[in-house]
Amino acid sequence: DGGITQSPKYLFRKEGQNVTLSCEQNLNHDAMYWYRQDPGQGLRLIYYSQIVNDFQKGDIAEGYSVSREKKESFPLTVTSAQKNPTAFYLCASSTVPDFNTEAFFGQGTRLTVV
Amino acid sequence: QKEVEQDPGPLSVPEGAIVSLNCTYSNSAFQYFMWYRQYSRKGPELLMYTYSSGNKEDGRFTAQVDKSSKYISLFIRDSQPSDSATYLCAMSPTNTNAGKSTFGDGTTLTVKP
Repeated sequence: DGGITQSPKYLFRKEGQNVTLSCEQNLNHDAMYWYRQDPGQGLRLIYYSQIVNDFQKGDIAEGYSVSREKKESFPLTVTSAQKNPTAFYLCASSTVPDFNTEAFFGQGTRLTVV
Repeated sequence: QKEVEQDPGPLSVPEGAIVSLNCTYSNSAFQYFMWYRQYSRKGPELLMYTYSSGNKEDGRFTAQVDKSSKYISLFIRDSQPSDSATYLCAMSPTNTNAGKSTFGDGTTLTVKP
């Protein structure tokens, strides 16, 4: 089945630690995205990538880093510089540049700082 | 002020009710309008999309766009308990980079049996 796989589903981080969230897709999509969702709030774009080895900052990139070494993979690292990392993180992908109005989302990773 | 404002809810209705979910926006460049449904602890999934003004119907769901008023709505007829979810509106000025759409904060709907 084609889709987007995020892992792990739940992640706990100690203060001062970096953690990496995994996102893999087998939809052959060029573009991939990372969002953060806080309770009662919509999706805020962290980073996005339209092509391998290239990515751009979204609205809230501070304290996060990404890489795009393979088309299928777009891992997100939450660094110790992110002051309030506890949130639900969503990865998505879409086709570029053909007509498309749909982003396909993974099931999310819930990160908690302990 | 946010570019997209969504009725905050939460909304609780009895089974069979007609539900209206609404968003307003300020960016007149938006031309593509999407509704995503998100079940608890899951990722959003696209429910419907429309281009420019007008209505679009899909089963029990109708999406309506009024660009002159910068207002979009999603109507759910004969609502079912399985419709209980958070509904997110999303908008984009172009038909590419769907993931860069601007999202509303979501309205949580509960349909009671």
